[in-house]
Amino acid sequence: AAGVIQSPRHLIKEKRETATLKCYPIPRHDTVYWYQQGPGQDPQFLISFYEKMQSDKGSIPDRFSAQQFSDYHSELNMSSLELGDSALYFCASSARGAGDIQYFGAGTRLSVL
Amino acid sequence: QKEVEQDPGPLSVPEGAIVSLNCTYSNSAFQYFMWYRQYSRKGPELLMYTYSSGNKEDGRFTAQVDKSSKYISLFIRDSQPSDSATYLCAIRRSNDYKLSFGAGTTVTVRA
Repeated sequence: AAGVIQSPRHLIKEKRETATLKCYPIPRHDTVYWYQQGPGQDPQFLISFYEKMQSDKGSIPDRFSAQQFSDYHSELNMSSLELGDSALYFCASSARGAGDIQYFGAGTRLSVL
Repeated sequence: QKEVEQDPGPLSVPEGAIVSLNCTYSNSAFQYFMWYRQYSRKGPELLMYTYSSGNKEDGRFTAQVDKSSKYISLFIRDSQPSDSATYLCAIRRSNDYKLSFGAGTTVTVRA
């Protein structure tokens, strides 16, 4: 079965640079969630989109923005990167009308040097 | 204060033992309860999804929810070395779809 696809898997950036993370949800899933997991920490909710509209916002810095496109894939844009942004970034997708069970991708590991 | 508390362990058990994991939460508004398994450097993998109080069984895994005590548990029977991973409980409210995760319990099953 198709799963959530995230790219890239690994990303190395310098401080103050910009990064773009991509997420391709499971086919026919209409909702995408982004989570950030720091070293040794649990995932923290950043932002979500339902039917291409932002549906909820968590502890996402103003330097970050995201959107969901017409094909339901989503991109998380991160600017003015800081050392503290180094983390695993997970995308999850769900079908809102089918219990909204969230399935996670393998994540993008971002290292800011 | 975190919305859901989970003992981070670590937990080390011999192969074949029963693994018992639990989480407590503070707000009765939480109505959906999940357990995810996460291998090192991988994404969380859904193991169990429950809504009501009681038990739900899937193979060697049993999820238990006690809404009156705000307590959820996951039991792994006949544990295998391949069960070695971090187990995360996750909860959410009815009309709020974001998940709140516990800290995760790292389990090692010794062969």
